[in-house]
Amino acid sequence: GNSVTQMEGPVTLSEEAFLTINCTYTATGYPSLFWYVQYPGEGLQLLLKATKADDKGSNKGFEATYRKETTSFHLEKGSVQVSDSAVYFCALSADISYNTDKLIFGTGTRLQVFP
Amino acid sequence: NAGVTQTPKFQVLKTGQSMTLQCAQDMNHEYMSWYRQDPGMGLRLIHYSVGAGITDQGEVPNGYNVSRSTTEDFPLRLLSAAPSQTSVYFCASTEGLISGNTIYFGEGSWLTVV
Repeated sequence: GNSVTQMEGPVTLSEEAFLTINCTYTATGYPSLFWYVQYPGEGLQLLLKATKADDKGSNKGFEATYRKETTSFHLEKGSVQVSDSAVYFCALSADISYNTDKLIFGTGTRLQVFP
Repeated sequence: NAGVTQTPKFQVLKTGQSMTLQCAQDMNHEYMSWYRQDPGMGLRLIHYSVGAGITDQGEVPNGYNVSRSTTEDFPLRLLSAAPSQTSVYFCASTEGLISGNTIYFGEGSWLTVV
């Protein structure tokens, strides 16, 4: 079945450091891939998405490229800020023609950024 | 710009009590769902609905009931709360579960069962 695997956290960085959070997936067909962010005490917000191979999603300085050959969608940011401290979820939405019917989430990676 | 609204935000229940978590969306979305979030397990789908009058079970449906009498509302009922249901619950909606559509989440409901 479809699945998403994320690196375990927490990831602890100093401000202005480079961030990578790894995400790999298993899916039939041609899924869309998402990164959601959850700030403390809040719900999940869509951070970025990519709907086909080689697409790059980007938002707020974060980027992720849909790599079909490595089944990956790693999240990167060149210079993190304290305000980026949150939990990040990688997610997959498979093509409905394959009779799947739900968004599948990874377990989440907590990012802690210190001044 | 209400989006997806959940109530209550916090609730403490005693074992065996019942309660309903409310969820409403104002985006005319057909697809709505409930997830629970537990440490180290990400989000797991409880129940979902593809339109008014239609509901189905997700990954972890036991102990929960849902109904969908209108497009806007999708309440989640706990008939007899158990400590294992202590969790954070998120309601979500989307236009339709076609690959690529954005899913919008409510702010969450923190439930503790003692």
